Amino acid sequence: EAQVTQNPRYLITVTGKKLTVTCSQNMNHEYMSWYRQDPGLGLRQIYYSMNVEVTDKGDVPEGYKVSRKEKRNFPLILESPSPNQTSLYFCATRGSPYEQYFGPGTRLTVT
Amino acid sequence: AQKITQTQPGMFVQEKEAVTLDCTYDTSDQSYGLFWYKQPSSGEMIFLIYQGSYDEQNATEGRYSLNFQKARKSANLVISASQLGDSAMYFCASLSNNLFFGTGTRLTVIP
Repeated sequence: EAQVTQNPRYLITVTGKKLTVTCSQNMNHEYMSWYRQDPGLGLRQIYYSMNVEVTDKGDVPEGYKVSRKEKRNFPLILESPSPNQTSLYFCATRGSPYEQYFGPGTRLTVT
Repeated sequence: AQKITQTQPGMFVQEKEAVTLDCTYDTSDQSYGLFWYKQPSSGEMIFLIYQGSYDEQNATEGRYSLNFQKARKSANLVISASQLGDSAMYFCASLSNNLFFGTGTRLTVIP
């Protein structure tokens, strides 16, 4: 079964405490990306990766880092989280243009 | 640059009636794809329908159809015979290299 997994699904943390949200896919897709969703703003792309060791900024990359050391994993790193990074985060992969797969989402609260 | 506009923050529809959710897009690319996603209150992103820019016929998937008017740059979603389970957020998105989302429309189906 095609699957994108994210962990954790829910996280409450404090300002400045480094955290990593993991994303893993089992479809051998080259393209992976991260989005954040905020009320009234829809989903906005944070970073994307076209392949292993190839990453690029999306529309809202400030405060985030990513790495792509292997095809199946694409972790999102918040080195020093701030309250304005409280959001719902989605990892996604793409096979063919019409094959977009989303993870279940990670709800992050930064206090 | 791409832009997706969904002008209806909220919509109501009577059960069993049809409803149209509006979406206009702006892209300079010749080849692109258009998507609709459903997001229920549980938060996951559910793919509904896809239309390629070169597809001459409007896409249909069960009760969902995409009214694609290329000259007007519109890609409206039509849901026929609405059901209570259709109550959700609906996002329009366009794909060239990356996927860009509109701000969404919250649909409420009234019994």
